[in-house]
Amino acid sequence: EPEVTQTPSHQVTQMGQEVILRCVPISNHLYFYWYRQILGQKVEFLVSFYNNEISEKSEIFDDQFSVERPDGSNFTLKIRSTKLEDSAMYFCASKGGERDEQFFGPGTRLTVL
Amino acid sequence: GQQVMQIPQYQHVQEGEDFTTYCNSSTTLSNIQWYKQRPGGHPVFLIQLVKSGEVKKQKRLTFQFGEAKKNSSLHITATQTTDVGTYFCAGLNNFNKFYFGSGTKLNVKP
Repeated sequence: EPEVTQTPSHQVTQMGQEVILRCVPISNHLYFYWYRQILGQKVEFLVSFYNNEISEKSEIFDDQFSVERPDGSNFTLKIRSTKLEDSAMYFCASKGGERDEQFFGPGTRLTVL
Repeated sequence: GQQVMQIPQYQHVQEGEDFTTYCNSSTTLSNIQWYKQRPGGHPVFLIQLVKSGEVKKQKRLTFQFGEAKKNSSLHITATQTTDVGTYFCAGLNNFNKFYFGSGTKLNVKP
């Protein structure tokens, strides 16, 4: 069964460093998302991406964040200068059609020291 | 701004008891989806409700979408230990943006 994959599973970084979180969505999907989940809290929407551009973003997704789909398979989230409060699980998700279910990846746990 | 509230935050039940979680949106939703997240896992899609007043069943799980399309519920009959996890609703608004509820963490005691 096709699935969303994410790498790395765990990333540890120093405050102020840049990180890139990588996702490979399901191959025929058209809509891509990044979410974050601080430990023990709810899933928070960060950004949605469709047709090679951002379609929606939340208040959390400030200038420190950017997304890219550099080729036909990868979807990346870059945090330019990490802060302690960026420590969270980051989930990538994709879906085929506008009203389809989202398939979530296993997540990348980001720890900022 | 748009909010999706979910109650209760936690629920502890004895195995065999029923469980219900409720989801309320501040505005009308286009559709609502329910996800389950096991401890240490990622959200997994359960079901989508689209029509006003819609009711869907999956074995012991019953999902309802309110007439005004602003609220929804998930009811589990006769809980089992395998039902343990956090249940999230996610509402899609008319601008095609998803809002996740805060989740209800279910613990089932054997």
